[in-house]
Amino acid sequence: DAKTTQPPSMDCAEGRAANLPCNHSTISGNEYVYWYRQIHSQGPQYIIHGLKNNETNEMASLIITEDRKSSTLILPHATLRDTAVYYCIVRVAARGGKLIFGQGTELSVKP
Amino acid sequence: NAGVMQNPRHLVRRRGQEARLRCSPMKGHSHVYWYRQLPEEGLKFMVYLQKENIIDESGMPKERFSAEFPKEGPSILRIQQVVRGDSAAYFCASSPPTDIVGYTFGSGTRLTVV
Repeated sequence: DAKTTQPPSMDCAEGRAANLPCNHSTISGNEYVYWYRQIHSQGPQYIIHGLKNNETNEMASLIITEDRKSSTLILPHATLRDTAVYYCIVRVAARGGKLIFGQGTELSVKP
Repeated sequence: NAGVMQNPRHLVRRRGQEARLRCSPMKGHSHVYWYRQLPEEGLKFMVYLQKENIIDESGMPKERFSAEFPKEGPSILRIQQVVRGDSAAYFCASSPPTDIVGYTFGSGTRLTVV
């Protein structure tokens, strides 16, 4: 699975959009981009995933660049409850297979 | 549809005892993954199982740790002769046999070795 690079920490004001970047310059054509988050001491939570098109669900939007070498997770209106560590993971979507978690980005949403 | 159920939530063991952690996957999920998170550290993959089979145990310590996912019942992560360094949060995740959906994680078991 391709390696990802994320900033170690970010701050965001409550109510504003949080834009979390991820670089995955060695991504292969059959690898998806997944985002998970871990709120303090809880189990990780799946957020969204995509291959090459932009995706949106009730939690977030995922913007993938045309060359697929980077992506951005957007939380449109961040709340204090969005404070968490956010993980960008790249992997082949096959039948099962482990997720490898890096260090992630620690997002702090401030009032 | 209940999520991934892990029990116990908290487990205290004395050094040298055995710890058994249980994980019931979501209904319809036949793949189970175990992860360990040491204090102030990241999530580390341990083992990936399907019903009655270990698919990938590349993250399991070579000694004292074992995992199973029987045909009936929950997946079990067993740690024999626990040591203080085993104190951690252990998370289980499950996924269906189809491909690209996200995995669902449980709330974890916090193991404390005293």
